[in-house]
Amino acid sequence: DIQMTQSPASLSASLGETVSIECLASEDIYSNLAWYQQKPGKSPQLLIYYASSLQDGVPSRFSGSESGTQYSLEINSLQPEDEGDYFCQQSYKFPPTFGGGTKLELK
Amino acid sequence: EVQLVESGGGLVQPGRSLKLSCAASGFTFSDYYMAWVRQAPTKGLEWVASISYDGGSTYYRDSVKGRFTISRDNAKSSLYLQMDSLRSEDTATYYCTRAGGGIAATFDYWGQGVMVTVSS
Repeated sequence: DIQMTQSPASLSASLGETVSIECLASEDIYSNLAWYQQKPGKSPQLLIYYASSLQDGVPSRFSGSESGTQYSLEINSLQPEDEGDYFCQQSYKFPPTFGGGTKLELK
Repeated sequence: EVQLVESGGGLVQPGRSLKLSCAASGFTFSDYYMAWVRQAPTKGLEWVASISYDGGSTYYRDSVKGRFTISRDNAKSSLYLQMDSLRSEDTATYYCTRAGGGIAATFDYWGQGVMVTVSS
């Protein structure tokens, strides 16, 4: 199975700041990477697919990028509603696998 | 609007069975692979099982193979997960998801989740 190593495990930032979350794939996944947001007590929601494509309705302050097998989610101008857990997931090879998650807390 | 509504969760003793259901609406159900993804308390996400458009192909993670059965009824736009020989490590919230892209999919819509607790 492809291993997805996500970092950091937790993150604390202030309103208006920019943060970045990383995901390292154990092998090449050819941009087949999705990011999900899970707000407290809610189900996950798709934010970004194919590494950098924004899902409909997702604010443009979210963006995704890649460099080799390293993938990044950047959130610009943090808002209160951005607090929650973030997960990456590879969809290149069966079985689909997730990163361990990043808990984002607003100071 | 795409909606996925799970039901059937609860408290069950180890070794017993439980069947989860998911009612889908807002899209052509038979056009999509569907999947179950679970999340143990305070843990990350874990893919459990997927099923093809017509139910002819099914896929499972190793830890549930032979114990869980995924199925679907396209006429009723419904997805199911029959869970037998339940273990404490199956305790989790189970999410019904739409799997855009086949078996190695992006999960583009999620239900609200249903809690399954396996305990004596």
